[in-house]
Amino acid sequence: SQQGEEDPQALSIQEGENATMNCSYKTSINNLQWYRQNSGRGLVHLILIRSNEREKHSGRLRVTLDTSKKSSSLLITASRAADTASYFCATDFAGTYKYIFGTGTRLKVLA
Amino acid sequence: GAGVSQTPSNKVTEKGKYVELRCDPISGHTALYWYRQSLGQGPEFLIYFQGTGAADDSGLPNDRFFAVRPEGSVSTLKIQRTERGDSAVYLCASSLKGHTLHFGNGTRLTVT
Repeated sequence: SQQGEEDPQALSIQEGENATMNCSYKTSINNLQWYRQNSGRGLVHLILIRSNEREKHSGRLRVTLDTSKKSSSLLITASRAADTASYFCATDFAGTYKYIFGTGTRLKVLA
Repeated sequence: GAGVSQTPSNKVTEKGKYVELRCDPISGHTALYWYRQSLGQGPEFLIYFQGTGAADDSGLPNDRFFAVRPEGSVSTLKIQRTERGDSAVYLCASSLKGHTLHFGNGTRLTVT
């Protein structure tokens, strides 16, 4: 079963624009992570935000977390064609080390 | 050092056959995870190990699926009596202390 749901399911933007994707989850968590996947194979970790943090930055990435709403958002600023990929959130299930992934957002950045 | 290695990268088998998928984690990583991913879906949790023991196997779909990690390093996912519905990409990830997951490139299983 999927704990998280991302929206939108798909997003198409022009190079240079910002991309925002959202993740909602169901149970209490210790941390939430965002991953990127190219070509349907291995996932690459992007950023981790702990439950006591509200915002975190890494390069062109900005992640927010609202534990009261059980939701997170990932913002990619000044997008590039190379950012084209699927993006997934993952949460530790009820504070364990069992990580459950969401359904993903497919981002397409047009050059 | 080397990343997570999964073999084979592709496996085609006939319905009813037995398959084994192998995962070599990053050296020293105590946690090891197996996920299954179908086209257009997110990774679906199957099982994770802490050391040699399965800490949570609640995602294994039925008793045809079994995974082992006898020495706390390499893991094998075993599927008996394969069915066409088992076709998917099987992803393995390892982690130090269960935080950031490092994924392999997966094994694409096709059951004909």
